[in-house]
Amino acid sequence: DTAVSQTPKYLVTQMGNDKSIKCEQNLGHDTMYWYKQDSKKFLKIMFSYNNKELIINETVPNRFSPKSPDKAHLNLHINSLELGDSAVYFCASSLAMFSGTGGEKLFFGSGTQLSVL
Amino acid sequence: GDSVTQMEGPVTLSEEAFLTINCTYTATGYPSLFWYVQYPGEGLQLLLKATKADDKGSNKGFEATYRKETTSFHLEKGSVQVSDSAVYFCALSDQSGGGADGLTFGKGTHLIIQP
Repeated sequence: DTAVSQTPKYLVTQMGNDKSIKCEQNLGHDTMYWYKQDSKKFLKIMFSYNNKELIINETVPNRFSPKSPDKAHLNLHINSLELGDSAVYFCASSLAMFSGTGGEKLFFGSGTQLSVL
Repeated sequence: GDSVTQMEGPVTLSEEAFLTINCTYTATGYPSLFWYVQYPGEGLQLLLKATKADDKGSNKGFEATYRKETTSFHLEKGSVQVSDSAVYFCALSDQSGGGADGLTFGKGTHLIIQP
């Protein structure tokens, strides 16, 4: 069973469209994240949710709106897609908000490669 | 704020060569340090970690030692294989911020091992 699964794996779309990426974790974790990896492989945190509550919202355009219907799901909706949104987006989860050593309990999905044409 | 700097890639080596990928960091607290690896077409995987000064993390022949005096966490391997070709990310978690901060990543170093 996949611990953190995100769909779709590949997403090709036109500029101006609205799209969503879904993420689900079956680990019973309380905290979920979205990371963006750009073409230069640089990873940057976008959002963090703890028990469906937004904790971190880095400097991300408001075209990006995360939605957490329950603590096992954190979906990412993107409005009015732009060329610069092309990247790989990674969902991740961790056991608890104050886990202390953070990353050792950070589990990543396999990524969604978004290409905006 | 926290930051991680790692050497630019790509790094190209021959099989059985010695590998070093440099990583230095800045942090306000006492961070835990990590190396993650991303194989082609896959997600990130934790390779090794160290949670306090002078700790050595090791896994699959890779090692890294937490050096507080030089704020470094260089990744080393004595003899690389073609299967080690991947992108390697150095990362830190500032414990003073709590786990919800996630990780601060370096930009990644693409390693290419030639037979």
